[in-house]
Amino acid sequence: SYELTQPPSVSVSPGQTATITCSGDNLGDKFACWYQQKAGQSPVLVIYQDFNRPSGIPERFSGSNSGNTATLTIGGTQPMDEADYFCQAWDGSTVVFGGGTKLTVL
Amino acid sequence: QLQLQESGPGLVKPSETLSLTCSVTDYSISSDYYWGWIRQPPGKGLEWIGSVHHGGNTVYNPSLQSRATISMDTSKNQFSLNLMSVTAADTAVYFCASVSPPPTTIFDYWGQGALVTVSS
Repeated sequence: SYELTQPPSVSVSPGQTATITCSGDNLGDKFACWYQQKAGQSPVLVIYQDFNRPSGIPERFSGSNSGNTATLTIGGTQPMDEADYFCQAWDGSTVVFGGGTKLTVL
Repeated sequence: QLQLQESGPGLVKPSETLSLTCSVTDYSISSDYYWGWIRQPPGKGLEWIGSVHHGGNTVYNPSLQSRATISMDTSKNQFSLNLMSVTAADTAVYFCASVSPPPTTIFDYWGQGALVTVSS
């Protein structure tokens, strides 16, 4: 079965750039999405189709996808960005989520 | 704006069937969209259960396919999840969501989630 692998945790200082990776075989040939989930809340879509931002998502959120790795980048990270982040893709027959990355802003 | 709301029992006994309904407002589930269920055990990640389209196509996570059934009631603008023979491992927050058709498969709107505990 297809798997997406994320680092369990990433730490960043306020105002710095946070980078969260998602790895999977030939992931660059698929469409990747990213979701933000704050404690006790539902996930929120922050990036779709590799690099597109939904309406209302700040410009500091950006995405890329090439080779075996999709990347979520948060430029000028703010304390409000502290959350769990999940990548997701369609592998041709099923939906797959990554295990999630806890972003700590300290 | 599309809204989704899960409803159903918060406690289910082991070996019984978990049943949840998702009510959709401000958007017709007969549109060219899929409607999905995702769950999240306490303190863990997201697990896709399956997705349904009004045209009759339903896709499931292979690990849950033998126990899960997702159906639609277009007259009520609702879709439902039945999960048979539950165990404590099925304790989770269950989310419903709207999903763009493959291959983009974007979960763009989510319900608030419903906690279901499996316990005697």
